[in-house]
Amino acid sequence: LAKTTQPISMDSYEGQEVNITCSHNNIATNDYITWYQQFPSQGPRFIIQGYKTKVTNEVASLFIPADRKSSTLSLPRVSLSDTAVYYCLVGDVGTGFQKLVFGTGTRLLVSP
Amino acid sequence: GAGVSQSPSNKVTEKGKDVELRCDPISGHTALYWYRQSLGQGLEFLIYFQGNSAPDKSGLPSDRFSAERTGGSVSTLTIQRTQQEDSAVYLCASSLALAGRSLEQYFGPGTRLTVT
Repeated sequence: LAKTTQPISMDSYEGQEVNITCSHNNIATNDYITWYQQFPSQGPRFIIQGYKTKVTNEVASLFIPADRKSSTLSLPRVSLSDTAVYYCLVGDVGTGFQKLVFGTGTRLLVSP
Repeated sequence: GAGVSQSPSNKVTEKGKDVELRCDPISGHTALYWYRQSLGQGLEFLIYFQGNSAPDKSGLPSDRFSAERTGGSVSTLTIQRTQQEDSAVYLCASSLALAGRSLEQYFGPGTRLTVT
């Protein structure tokens, strides 16, 4: 079973850049890395997905090193509304894509 | 367009009773996923459907749990003889493609199950 590890929590201030790293040592060759954001009492919401190197969209960037054993979600200039739990998701090594293993989640608190 | 919907939004049941949770995915999404999230915890993957087929059911917590999907659309998660440890939020998600090709899942609001 693929295992992912994230910091439990992070604190930041408005306007700062936040980087959240996920470790996934057993990632399989065909696995993509996807990050989700979850607010209380809501289902997770897609942020960004990547396979290798760097991906950027309108809300975040995703950095993946060559060995793909980790990934870093970068949120530029966070605001109070970015306070949420952030999860990384990779496919399961053992059974291909049929089990999906979310990381433990990182609780981000953005203060004024 | 409509997103993923789940019903009921809340369910309180007595220990030992059976419950059915329903998920309506986004129209045209072939993949459907069930997760469980206990209070303050992360997401636990339960089962995944591609079309009507669930290739791997080993993620279901026990044989009291079962899931089906008919017509490539609506899915039902059934929990028999509920136990207090089954209390959690059950989340459903759907996506356009197989996991691994596209993991952009769209989640429903969840069903909060409380077993008393």
